[in-house]
Amino acid sequence: DIQMTQSPSSLSASVGDRVTITCRASQGISNYLAWYQQKPGKVPKLLIYAASTLQSGVPSRFSGSGSETDFTLTISSLQPEDVATYYCQKYSNAPFTFGPGTKVDVK
Amino acid sequence: EVHLVQSGTEVKKPGESLKISCKASGYSFTSYWLGWVRQMPGKGLEWMGFIYPDDSDTRYSPSFQGQVTISADKSNRTAYLQWSSLKASDTAMYYCARHKEWEYVYDAFEIWGQGTMVTVSS
Repeated sequence: DIQMTQSPSSLSASVGDRVTITCRASQGISNYLAWYQQKPGKVPKLLIYAASTLQSGVPSRFSGSGSETDFTLTISSLQPEDVATYYCQKYSNAPFTFGPGTKVDVK
Repeated sequence: EVHLVQSGTEVKKPGESLKISCKASGYSFTSYWLGWVRQMPGKGLEWMGFIYPDDSDTRYSPSFQGQVTISADKSNRTAYLQWSSLKASDTAMYYCARHKEWEYVYDAFEIWGQGTMVTVSS
């Protein structure tokens, strides 16, 4: 099975900072990659699919890029409401494995 | 409006059986893949498997194959996740979630249920 890793596992940044999270697949997955945001105690929310397509209603400060094995989620200007854990998920073939998550805090 | 409404909190003993549900509304239930995701306390998301309700085509993660059963009832627009013999390690929040695109198997989860907390303790 294809394994998904994320880095860093956690980060703390200031409001307005640019934040980048990396997701890596152990084999190529084309662009079958999604990003989710899970705020504390809440249900996960789809942010980006097909590696770089912003889900409807998601603020434009979120963006995704990458293909095959290396992907990034960028928050261009971190806001207090972005405190959450972010997960990547591959869906090129079953199992549709999630990454281990990156916890984002605001300093 | 599209909704997935899950059944309520469960507290069970090891060895007991359990079936939790996910009722869909606001869309064509038979035309979208619907999956289940586990989240153990303080841990990350784990993809368990999914089902296409129209023909009950079901795929499981190897980690969950043989441990749970995913099913769907078209007449009730409801998907299910069941265990025949619970273990303490099954204690977790379980989410159902629907794929984004109609009929598309290789897809992200766009719509999520509110989660069902299952606690297994003697």
